[in-house]
Amino acid sequence: EAQVTQNPRYLITVTGKKLTVTCSQNMNHEYMSWYRQDPGLGLRQIYYSMNVEVTDKGDVPEGYKVSRKEKRNFPLILESPSPNQTSLYFCASSPLLSTDTQYFGPGTRLTVL
Amino acid sequence: GQQLNQSPQSMFIQEGEDVSMNCTSSSIFNTWLWYKQEPGEGPVLLIALYKAGELTSNGRLTAQFGITRKDSFLNISASIPSDVGIYFCAGYAGNNRKLIWGLGTSLAVNP
Repeated sequence: EAQVTQNPRYLITVTGKKLTVTCSQNMNHEYMSWYRQDPGLGLRQIYYSMNVEVTDKGDVPEGYKVSRKEKRNFPLILESPSPNQTSLYFCASSPLLSTDTQYFGPGTRLTVL
Repeated sequence: GQQLNQSPQSMFIQEGEDVSMNCTSSSIFNTWLWYKQEPGEGPVLLIALYKAGELTSNGRLTAQFGITRKDSFLNISASIPSDVGIYFCAGYAGNNRKLIWGLGTSLAVNP
């Protein structure tokens, strides 16, 4: 089954404790992206990647890092999480020439205390 | 960053009613997309529009690319409880390949 998977689905952590949210897709997509979703603010792009070893900042990259060492994986790293990073995070992927048809993962709900 | 104006913000309707929502922009768009997000899930693409005036259906859903290229509409006919969710519009403006999102319309359907 074609899908985007994220882990964990839920995470409660404390300020400053480094964490990684994994994202994996099995559709051989070149393009992958991370979004955060907050009430009243909609979906905001954090980082995106157009292929292996190619990443770029989205609208709200501060406090986040990503890497793209393999085509299927695009982890989101929070080196020192803060409470304002409490949010619902989505990973998405698509073929490079069809970024309008993005496939989204199920989401990761992160709470930073 | 730039966002689309999506309205209404929320709707509460009776099962069987038709629903209409829209999305507007101050810029000309060359692609309009409509996504649905069900509770606890990520958004799923419903309809993609690529030409001004284009009218496309997906079951009971119909979306139109406005002729001014600055708006789009989504209609749902004969709503059912499983239509509940948040509907997002999104699109590309000009030659920019950055996807711009609306804030969503939250739909609740009373059985």
